[in-house]
Amino acid sequence: EDKVVQSPLSLVVHEGDTVTLNCSYEVTNFRSLLWYKQEKKAPTFLFMLTSSGIEKKSGRLSSILDKKELFSILNITATQTGDSAIYLCAVFSGTYKYIFGTGTRLKVLA
Amino acid sequence: EAGVVQSPRYKIIEKKQPVAFWCNPISGHNTLYWYLQNLGQGPELLIRYENEEAVDDSQLPKDRFSAERLKGVDSTLKIQPAELGDSAVYLCASSPTSSHNEQFFGPGTRLTVL
Repeated sequence: EDKVVQSPLSLVVHEGDTVTLNCSYEVTNFRSLLWYKQEKKAPTFLFMLTSSGIEKKSGRLSSILDKKELFSILNITATQTGDSAIYLCAVFSGTYKYIFGTGTRLKVLA
Repeated sequence: EAGVVQSPRYKIIEKKQPVAFWCNPISGHNTLYWYLQNLGQGPELLIRYENEEAVDDSQLPKDRFSAERLKGVDSTLKIQPAELGDSAVYLCASSPTSSHNEQFFGPGTRLTVL
């Protein structure tokens, strides 16, 4: 059965800290891995990763994929209170399904 | 460009009542998804449409849930009768095609069943 596992489930840090969120997967016919940020509304797209070892970067956020070890990490440097959200990892499979993890709930304290 | 539109944003009903959710995807997007998201969980697929065809409804509880996308544009998801365990956020998402890697989510409908 396809599955996506995220860790930690929740995390509390102070502003300025760096955090690393993990996503591991077992999915048939992997096509891509996506990261989303979800506040009190719809998930918003952060990154899509298809190739191993190529870092995607957007401001203070970056992500990388390891297709051999079947995981991805999302890094956030110099965290701000506005980074507080649920971060969802999803894998897009060959059957055109998105399989989501349970998410990591991040809280950044001022 | 307008995003995915959903209505209502919130709905409170008593158990055994029917309820319907509406979704209008981004213009030109052929693929439409309905997801259920429970508190503390990631979205779980209920049904995927390619134009007006439901190509994956394997996770849809067909005894009480139904969906339609008659003209291949907007879609309606219905629950009849609703149960307490149906309380959740119902998310709609769309993408240009099935093989397109990125999907775009609507704001969701938060359903509370009393």
